[in-house]
Amino acid sequence: QSALTQPASVSGSPGQSITISCTGTSSDVGSYNLVSWYQQHPGKAPKLMIYEVSERPSGVSSRFSGSKFGNTASLTIAGLQAEDEAHYYCCSPASISTLVFGGGTKLTVL
Amino acid sequence: QVQLQESGPGLVNPSQTLSLTCSVSGGSISRSGYYWSWIRQLPGKGLEWIGNIYYIGNTYYNPSLESRTTMSVDTSRNQFSLKLSSVTAADTAVYYCARYCNGDSCYSRFDYWGQGTLVTVSS
Repeated sequence: QSALTQPASVSGSPGQSITISCTGTSSDVGSYNLVSWYQQHPGKAPKLMIYEVSERPSGVSSRFSGSKFGNTASLTIAGLQAEDEAHYYCCSPASISTLVFGGGTKLTVL
Repeated sequence: QVQLQESGPGLVNPSQTLSLTCSVSGGSISRSGYYWSWIRQLPGKGLEWIGNIYYIGNTYYNPSLESRTTMSVDTSRNQFSLKLSSVTAADTAVYYCARYCNGDSCYSRFDYWGQGTLVTVSS
């Protein structure tokens, strides 16, 4: 199984919206509505931000949203804030018993 | 609030076996629908799923690491463990344990993570 494809970096100014893509195949992202997204600040453990493509855990800002079309999932962050600067990773089942992460995207808030 | 804590040697000799334990508090490791996971992050790189274990001992491994990976669970101690054999410098990474929710009430998400532990493979 190959890592899901994410852009290495994205950037935006405070208040703007950005979208991070996560492209897989018909065997992983395309087969399951189970993509999750994780935020990781430097030196910290990842934090769940989105699950089941578009659901937000309690406590996660409504500025974070997710979607999926075909083999590509997306994470959108609206109203960018300085605290959103971090790495973001997508994850999907790759089969009934295995999982695969994306390569990660570094978000820079300008 | 579930908490996970990794423990184990921070330095392992090449060709030896890396062994880590994850202690779970604030919830039972035997709870139905929850799997227990190991994930690693190579220096400056992304996350790599290593494997999952269910409390009854069912294991699921990353195909690329499967031949070297063994996971086990100790329900009496509320702990689970990872062994990675024949390590090389390429296995140097921060190793995280996490809870993977995939049952009747939730599907496919890592909802709790340990803080991570750096394991360096070097002589």
